[in-house]
Amino acid sequence: EAQVTQNPRYLITVTGKKLTVTCSQNMNHEYMSWYRQDPGLGLRQIYYSMNVEVTDKGDVPEGYKVSRKEKRNFPLILESPSPNQTSLYFCASSFYVGDREVNEQFFGPGTRLTVL
Amino acid sequence: AQKITQTQPGMFVQEKEAVTLDCTYDTSDQSYGLFWYKQPSSGEMIFLIYQGSYDEQNATEGRYSLNFQKARKSANLVISASQLGDSAMYFCAMSTNFGNEKLTFGTGTRLTIIP
Repeated sequence: EAQVTQNPRYLITVTGKKLTVTCSQNMNHEYMSWYRQDPGLGLRQIYYSMNVEVTDKGDVPEGYKVSRKEKRNFPLILESPSPNQTSLYFCASSFYVGDREVNEQFFGPGTRLTVL
Repeated sequence: AQKITQTQPGMFVQEKEAVTLDCTYDTSDQSYGLFWYKQPSSGEMIFLIYQGSYDEQNATEGRYSLNFQKARKSANLVISASQLGDSAMYFCAMSTNFGNEKLTFGTGTRLTIIP
């Protein structure tokens, strides 16, 4: 089954304790992205990756790191989480079809993170 | 910069009626795509429908249609014959695909279907 998976789905942690949220897709997509969702703000992009070893900042990258060592995986790293990073996080992926077209993005199930 | 505006924070609709969810967008790009996603209470994001800026016909997917008015920069979602399972949060989003297929989202509309 074609899907994007995220782990963990729920996480409660404390300020300053490093954590990683994993994202994996089995559709051979070039493009992957992380979003956070906060009430009243919709979803905002954190980081994205066009392919292996190619990553760049989105709209709200502060406090986050990413890596793309393999095409299927795109982990989100919080080196020193703070309470303002409490949010619902989504990973998404899609094929890259070129500059003249846009493409549907497939979303993972979400990770609900609480930082105390 | 791109912007999506959804002016209806919440809507209540009687079951079996049609419903229109409003979405306006702002971009200076000529090539872009417009998406609608559904987010039920379980939290996942479900893709509903897509409209490309160069598409001349309005997109349709089953009970969903997208009323695309390019000159007015609007991309309203129409759900025909609403069902109880349509109760959810609905997000309008746009992508301009300039090397980053970032989706810019609106703030969403919470739709509640009344039996």
